[in-house]
Amino acid sequence: NAGVTQTPKFQVLKTGQSMTLQCAQDMNHEYMSWYRQDPGMGLRLIHYSVGAGITDQGEVPNGYNVSRSTTEDFPLRLLSAAPSQTSVYFCASSYSTGGNEQYFGPGTRLTVT
Amino acid sequence: TQLLEQSPQFLSIQEGENLTVYCNSSSVFSSLQWYRQEPGEGPVLLVTVVTGGEVKKLKRLTFQFGDARKDSSLHITAAQPGDTGLYLCAGEKAGNNRKLIWGLGTSLAVNP
Repeated sequence: NAGVTQTPKFQVLKTGQSMTLQCAQDMNHEYMSWYRQDPGMGLRLIHYSVGAGITDQGEVPNGYNVSRSTTEDFPLRLLSAAPSQTSVYFCASSYSTGGNEQYFGPGTRLTVT
Repeated sequence: TQLLEQSPQFLSIQEGENLTVYCNSSSVFSSLQWYRQEPGEGPVLLVTVVTGGEVKKLKRLTFQFGDARKDSSLHITAAQPGDTGLYLCAGEKAGNNRKLIWGLGTSLAVNP
């Protein structure tokens, strides 16, 4: 099993550009989530999904969209990138709920100039 | 408001030393997880503690959950350079099983 995969590993965007961060898992996990990790702020939940077709907001959802059309995939879309979105983004999955063991992807380091 | 306080924030020690890091809260958690994150990678689960007073050992790492399930500690015996990383605790609040509450982490450097 590949576990949780994320692409790209690194990305540089200009302010106002849009892009999609890809996330896929092959463990048949129902729960998937996106976090951003910033120095001094820790891991902050952006959006999460408890199953295909169901998504909900975390604590910092503004400027981001998600969808969950399949169990395996959970892409994160940046609508109009801002320098405040410079961060490391992690996708995670777990068996059934957000309280279970989280399996993280390797992360995407995004810089917005 | 940071519900899980981790201390110390940074720790730099020599190989062979012992250390303890702490994860404290005023809230009660139904379970608490410890993760280690290495540079350029995502966090990886080390252990989950569920019962108040529970002690779990993972080789040289000893994890304890407080009796009141509000705090936890991680003790490393005879630290090695391979223990270097960011140690994160995350708590699951009862009735809120869709999200974890994360601490900011303890950054540990073990020097050879």
